[in-house]
Amino acid sequence: RKEVEQDPGPFNVPEGATVAFNCTYSNSASQSFFWYRQDCRKEPKLLMSVYSSGNEDGRFTAQLNRASQYISLLIRDSKLSDSATYLCVVNNNAGNMLTFGGGTRLMVKP
Amino acid sequence: GAGVSQSPSNKVTEKGKDVELRCDPISGHTALYWYRQSLGQGLEFLIYFQGNSAPDKSGLPSDRFSAERTGGSVSTLTIQRTQQEDSAVYLCASRLTGGSYNEQFFGPGTRLTVL
Repeated sequence: RKEVEQDPGPFNVPEGATVAFNCTYSNSASQSFFWYRQDCRKEPKLLMSVYSSGNEDGRFTAQLNRASQYISLLIRDSKLSDSATYLCVVNNNAGNMLTFGGGTRLMVKP
Repeated sequence: GAGVSQSPSNKVTEKGKDVELRCDPISGHTALYWYRQSLGQGLEFLIYFQGNSAPDKSGLPSDRFSAERTGGSVSTLTIQRTQQEDSAVYLCASRLTGGSYNEQFFGPGTRLTVL
């Protein structure tokens, strides 16, 4: 079993739709969590951190469920520019090793 | 300020040749990571440097791969006797340590093509 698992997609949605991605992680001792975004042929960039109480940044909402060991990302009112691969990232220990999921590809259509 | 830089941006080489890829991390970032990403695939961890500690080499796919980090800053990833399956984008990242929510910043990558 992979340490961080994501549905690879693609998720094809129309503009304005709400879409949600889930990510599961295997290490119950994981300490911090992130969503990164990677555009085609570009490097990954931080989208948002995921805090225990859940957090929101504009149209994006991240949730953490430690009991079930999953993280979610909700995108409301999807834009064409949201088309990208979304990477779930987990810091598995007190050090600095980040484990990346395989990514979920989102395609927003007009 | 300046981000993570990598050079070259593209490298085409012949099978069997050695290549060196360079990474300049963000100044002050003590953690440095190398990843590999094949077309349409996820990130594959290769190696991780943290300050003066021994690097975590657990992700290196074979002994043809090695990396060093001189003076706690610039890092070089070396691939000896390249094979066609080494073709990929090699990404370097750096991170400021001391906080579990510190962001990992990626460089633009080096696209390696082995003919």
